[in-house]
Amino acid sequence: TQLLEQSPQFLSIQEGENLTVYCNSSSVFSSLQWYRQEPGEGPVLLVTVVTGGEVKKLKRLTFQFGDARKDSSLHITAAQPGDTGLYLCAGATGGSARQLTFGSGTQLTVLP
Amino acid sequence: DAGITQSPRHKVTETGTPVTLRCHQTENHRYMYWYRQDPGHGLRLIHYSYGVKDTDKGEVSDGYSVSRSKTEDFLLTLESATSSQTSVYFCAISPLRPGGGSYNEQFFGPGTRLTVL
Repeated sequence: TQLLEQSPQFLSIQEGENLTVYCNSSSVFSSLQWYRQEPGEGPVLLVTVVTGGEVKKLKRLTFQFGDARKDSSLHITAAQPGDTGLYLCAGATGGSARQLTFGSGTQLTVLP
Repeated sequence: DAGITQSPRHKVTETGTPVTLRCHQTENHRYMYWYRQDPGHGLRLIHYSYGVKDTDKGEVSDGYSVSRSKTEDFLLTLESATSSQTSVYFCAISPLRPGGGSYNEQFFGPGTRLTVL
C-alpha cells in the first residue's frame, strides 16, 4: 500500500501571506495531482505533474514534483480568502486500474 | 463539468437497512470509482469499475458491493448499513486524454452524505 503524507494538516494564515503544503511518500509515482475541495462539494482537479523536477504555475499557485517523483509541494503566494479549502494530493502508480492514492489533506483557512 | 451526478445527495437510514447510492455520468467514460471521505483519512477507494460488468475491490471494500450494468451508471450498495459506514461518498470518473493516454486524473461528483443511525 502506497502512502502519501501531507503536511501540515491544518493551516490558518492572514490574507497576503505565503504558504507551502507538502506531500511526501516513499513510493515513486507516475503522475501526481493536486485537488481543492470546498465544503459540500467534490474535489476539483487543479494540476497534474508527471516529470521529475517539473514546476507548474496556476496564477498564484506553484506546484513542484520532486526529482525522484516521490514528493510534491504546493506554494501559494499572497493568499486570499478565496483560497480557503481542503487541498489534497494524489499519486498514481500506473497500471491498468488507474487508481490514485490520496493524502489526508491540508485544511487551509485564509483570514481577511 | 464532467457531467457526474450522484443520488441521493443526503440520506439518513437505520442500522441494518440496505442502501443503494447511484452515480450517473453523461460522457461514457470507461473508468468509474467509489470513494468514502472521513475526517483525517482523506479519500479511500471502495470499489472501481473498468467497464460494464467489470468491477474490482479497493482498500475499504468490506460491507460494500457495486454493480455496473450500463456504462453511464455505477451503483454502490450497502447490504446492511452500519454506523461505521456513516460518511460522505464520492463517485469519480477517469477519462482518457486526447490520443488515448492517461495521467490517471479523476473528476468527482458532488457527493452523498450518508448517516446511519
